[in-house]
Order: sequence, then C-alpha cells, then structure tokens
Amino acid sequence: EAGVVQSPRYKIIEKKQPVAFWCNPISGHNTLYWYLQNLGQGPELLIRYENEEAVDDSQLPKDRFSAERLKGVDSTLKIQPAELGDSAVYLCASSLGTRRTDTQYFGPGTRLTVL
Amino acid sequence: AQKITQTQPGMFVQEKEAVTLDCTYDTSDPSYGLFWYKQPSSGEMIFLIYQGSYDQQNATEGRYSLNFQKARKSANLVISASQLGDSAMYFCAMREPRDDKIIFGKGTRLHILP
Repeated sequence: EAGVVQSPRYKIIEKKQPVAFWCNPISGHNTLYWYLQNLGQGPELLIRYENEEAVDDSQLPKDRFSAERLKGVDSTLKIQPAELGDSAVYLCASSLGTRRTDTQYFGPGTRLTVL
Repeated sequence: AQKITQTQPGMFVQEKEAVTLDCTYDTSDPSYGLFWYKQPSSGEMIFLIYQGSYDQQNATEGRYSLNFQKARKSANLVISASQLGDSAMYFCAMREPRDDKIIFGKGTRLHILP
C-alpha cells in the first residue's frame, strides 16, 4: 500500500514569491492534515480536512496561506507571498478518521527555504 | 502550559543497550490516545506505537514498548537492544477526541553509539 505522497521534497524560493505544496493521502483516508515543523520542534497543525471540508483551520495564517482539497482526496497548500520566517518543513498526514485510535501517517515532507 | 513534555533534548546510548525516552502529558479528558513517532534525518515521521487511555496492557511493537503509567500521566518509550539505525528524533504525541488534534512534544534526539 502506498504511503502519503508529497511533492516537491525541496523548494527554494525568494521572499515574496508564491509557493505551493501537494499532498496525496493514503487511499481511503478521509482525514488529511497539514503541519508546519520548525527546526528542532515538533509538528504544529495548520489545517485539518474531513473529506473536502476544512474543519480546523484556526492555526492557518489566512493572510498568506491557503489550502484546498477539492475532491476530498489530494490537497494543495499555498503560500503567497512567502516570507523569510516561512522556511520550515511542511508535513502532510492522513488518517482513516478522527477516533482516538486512528493513527496519523505522515508523508516525507517538503523542506521550504525562503531566501 | 505544555500538554506533552519530553524532558530529554538529547541522549547518547551504546549500541545493543535498552533505552527509555521519557514523555509526560497533561489532559483532563478520560479518553485519549498516545503515540510515538520516529523522525530520521530524512525527515519522514514514522509511526512506532500507540497506547489508548483505556488499554489495560502496555503496548508493544517489536523492539518498542510503551511504559504507560496513567496515574502519573507518563508514557515512556522503551527501545530494547538498540541499533545504529535507531538514531533519530523521537516525538511523543497525544490525541484528545474533543479537539481531535494531535499535540506533539518537542522531541528527543537519540544517538546510538557503535
């Protein structure tokens, strides 16, 4: 069974440029998460989707970040414009559902560097 | 206040020794799940083991076991017979159903010495 797929793995951009990350969850997983991980820290949730609905985006900086999951499968996270402080690893994860036993499985992440 | 506390920022352990990574958590919800993830230098978060708050027995998964002490709100990861490939960051995490968020600790960097 294929795991969570993310692309690109690495991205280097100049500040004020836009950038987009793509995620394809494990087949059959209804819940999709985007996390931000700063160096030396644990992941922090940006947004959670139940199928195509964003049910928790309270931590998403909506002035520059946006996300979509149009058909309830793959998802895109966008930053426009990027700032120096956005340099981090962006992780996508998926789970079957939201019961406490539902394990989240992570993709390899996209390492973003903003110059 | 932090919900997940990992007090060991780094550890050095000799190969083949057992190692315990500490994790304490804070919740008022009687129903919760506890997870451990491994993150090698490649960056991917790898799920290791899960413990439910109502589980009577400590979870085990191969060389990984979870020392769950509910009254102390402690969920330490034990790795038996450590291997060089165990060198990585290890994160403890908790899911509270009322929030449906998984909260991660700051991690412990484990170094296995040959």
